[in-house]
Amino acid sequence: GAVVSQHPSRVICKSGTSVKIECRSLDFQATTMFWYRQFPKQSLMLMATSNEGSKATYEQGVEKDKFLINHASLTLSTLTVTSAHPEDSSFYICSARSAGYGYTFGSGTRLTVV
Amino acid sequence: DAKTTQPPSMDCAEGRAANLPCNHSTISGNEYVYWYRQIHSQGPQYIIHGLKNNETNEMASLIITEDRKSSTLILPHATLRDTAVYYCIVRGQRNSGGGADGLTFGKGTHLIIQP
Repeated sequence: GAVVSQHPSRVICKSGTSVKIECRSLDFQATTMFWYRQFPKQSLMLMATSNEGSKATYEQGVEKDKFLINHASLTLSTLTVTSAHPEDSSFYICSARSAGYGYTFGSGTRLTVV
Repeated sequence: DAKTTQPPSMDCAEGRAANLPCNHSTISGNEYVYWYRQIHSQGPQYIIHGLKNNETNEMASLIITEDRKSSTLILPHATLRDTAVYYCIVRGQRNSGGGADGLTFGKGTHLIIQP
């Protein structure tokens, strides 16, 4: 089946620094990947859609200059949280869609900004 | 995509069948019913999906009513590892090339398997 690998699984960073999260499709090509954010005791909220070779599409209320998305190849999308602050602490999850397997999710990244 | 309604939480005894309901009364003819689950601090895991016929796989069974306005996910022999939040999502098929949309998650049902 389709596998999506997400790294790192946990990261702690200082306020004001940037953090990069990687999402890779291991055994399939994903022209489109998705980034979600999940706060404690809440559901997943779609942040943006990442399209290979073009600009990401952001959901309403998500700052594109703060959450930089790069989808440089058919198997890799990255999310960079720039100038992170404590309120950006959350669980970030990526997902990729593949023909025949539907939506596959990564294992998530727990970001803590101190 | 049609809206879904699920109970916020359910308990089930280990070894018994867990039946999770989902209402989707505004579902349209070309929309599928998908079920995912999320174990604590992990990414969602695909369970099963269907259009109008009942479906079964190694994880679960999906029973969709004839009018398609509701469905039930059945875990036949629940174990402690099935404790998770279960999401019922209604979604139309999209073309795989270009314009794919992400899944919209509701609040789901927190299923707790009791020993």
